[in-house]
Amino acid sequence: GAVVSQHPSWVICKSGTSVKIECRSLDFQATTMFWYRQFPKQSLMLMATSNEGSKATYEQGVEKDKFLINHASLTLSTLTVTSAHPEDSSFYICSPPRYGYTFGSGTRLTVV
Amino acid sequence: AQTVTQSQPEMSVQEAETVTLSCTYDTSESDYYLFWYKQPPSRQMILVIRQEAYKQQNATENRFSVNFQKAAKSFSLKISDSQLGDAAMYFCAYRMRDDKIIFGKGTRLHILP
Repeated sequence: GAVVSQHPSWVICKSGTSVKIECRSLDFQATTMFWYRQFPKQSLMLMATSNEGSKATYEQGVEKDKFLINHASLTLSTLTVTSAHPEDSSFYICSPPRYGYTFGSGTRLTVV
Repeated sequence: AQTVTQSQPEMSVQEAETVTLSCTYDTSESDYYLFWYKQPPSRQMILVIRQEAYKQQNATENRFSVNFQKAAKSFSLKISDSQLGDAAMYFCAYRMRDDKIIFGKGTRLHILP
C-alpha cells in the first residue's frame, strides 16, 4: 500500500519556461502532500505542503510565486516551477504524510 | 527547534562486515519518531527502519538494527553482514508533530568487495 507515482522522472527545460511535476497517490487518498528539494550531494529540504481544498503552505525562504503548488484532488498534487532558471535545477520529491513514510521516485530538473 | 546531526559524511566497510552509522538529534518533545532512510544512486528514498520514541526496545529489520538512546538523543544504525547492495546514502530523520520530517545531512556508505 501507499504507492506514490511521480512524473516526470527527469526533465530538461530552457530558462524562462515553466515545468509541472505531478505526484499521484495510487492506492490511497491524500489530503496533504509534502514537497522536498534536494540539491546534489545534499539533504532533503522541505519546500511546502499542498493541502486539498486550500492554499499550500510554504516553508520560510521558499518563493511562493516561483514554486506553485496545487492539490487538485485527493489523488493529485502538483508542483510548477515558473520562469525556471539554472539555479532551480534540483531533485524534487513528493511525500504524503504518514502513509507508510513513502516517497515519490523524484524528478530531476535541469534548467539550461 | 529540532535538529538532526550526522557527523560522518562518508564511511566504508568490507563486505560481510558490520558497520554503525551515527546520528544525534535535539528536541524538546517527549514523543516522536525517528527514521533511517536509504537513498541509492536511483535517488529513490527507501525507509530502512523506524523507531517510536516511547518504545524502549530497539527496532530491528533483518540485518538492520538501531541503538536508540533517548536520554542521550542518539540514534545509530547498525548494518550487519554488509552487502554490495547496501552502498547508498543514508539519512537519519526526525518526524515532528505536524508530520514534517527533518533530515540529517547524510552519510555515504561504501561497501568494499
